[in-house]
Amino acid sequence: NAGVTQTPKFQVLKTGQSMTLQCAQDMNHNSMYWYRQDPGMGLRLIYYSASEGTTDKGEVPNGYNVSRLNKREFSLRLESAAPSQTSVYFCASQPGSSGNTIYFGEGSWLTVV
Amino acid sequence: AQKITQTQPGMFVQEKEAVTLDCTYDTSDPSYGLFWYKQPSSGEMIFLIYQGSYDQQNATEGRYSLNFQKARKSANLVISASQLGDSAMYFCAMRELSYGNQFYFGTGTSLTVIP
Repeated sequence: NAGVTQTPKFQVLKTGQSMTLQCAQDMNHNSMYWYRQDPGMGLRLIYYSASEGTTDKGEVPNGYNVSRLNKREFSLRLESAAPSQTSVYFCASQPGSSGNTIYFGEGSWLTVV
Repeated sequence: AQKITQTQPGMFVQEKEAVTLDCTYDTSDPSYGLFWYKQPSSGEMIFLIYQGSYDQQNATEGRYSLNFQKARKSANLVISASQLGDSAMYFCAMRELSYGNQFYFGTGTSLTVIP
């Protein structure tokens, strides 16, 4: 039961470096999301993809780019990492029909020094 | 304006007692869903309970119930007979069905169950 798989789980970056967080789901879900979680801020939506081939900005998209590679995969790229991007990142997916919950990956802990 | 508001940063409850975690929401969409998630210290997000905007009865799942007051736009989570394993962060979330497929989350409530 893989569900939503995201890699890497932990990463330390230097300011200015780039990296890509990978996410894949095996539930044939239409919608996929990237959130960041910071203390006292809850989960904030970075980008989402309502269906394959579409992506939209969420609440905090600055400094990030995404690619919905196919129905299974949704990657998040930091082009030039900044200390303010130190956070826990969650990928999630959702079937797209009404009422269904959102399914989360296990999270990726990113530290930018 | 915040879509989801959780005003209790931290809560304490005695083991075996009931506790209510508050959540209010803001939407003009007549079709929406409300969710509660638990995040233990290990970090994973665990789905607890769902309430649809057209549901007439309050949702229940085992020891969890959702006190849905539509006119007041509140969706409080009630945990009955608290257990030590209930100590965690709890997030309220909303999905607006007419305005795309975004899920909005509150800032969370940290619940500590005292033995």
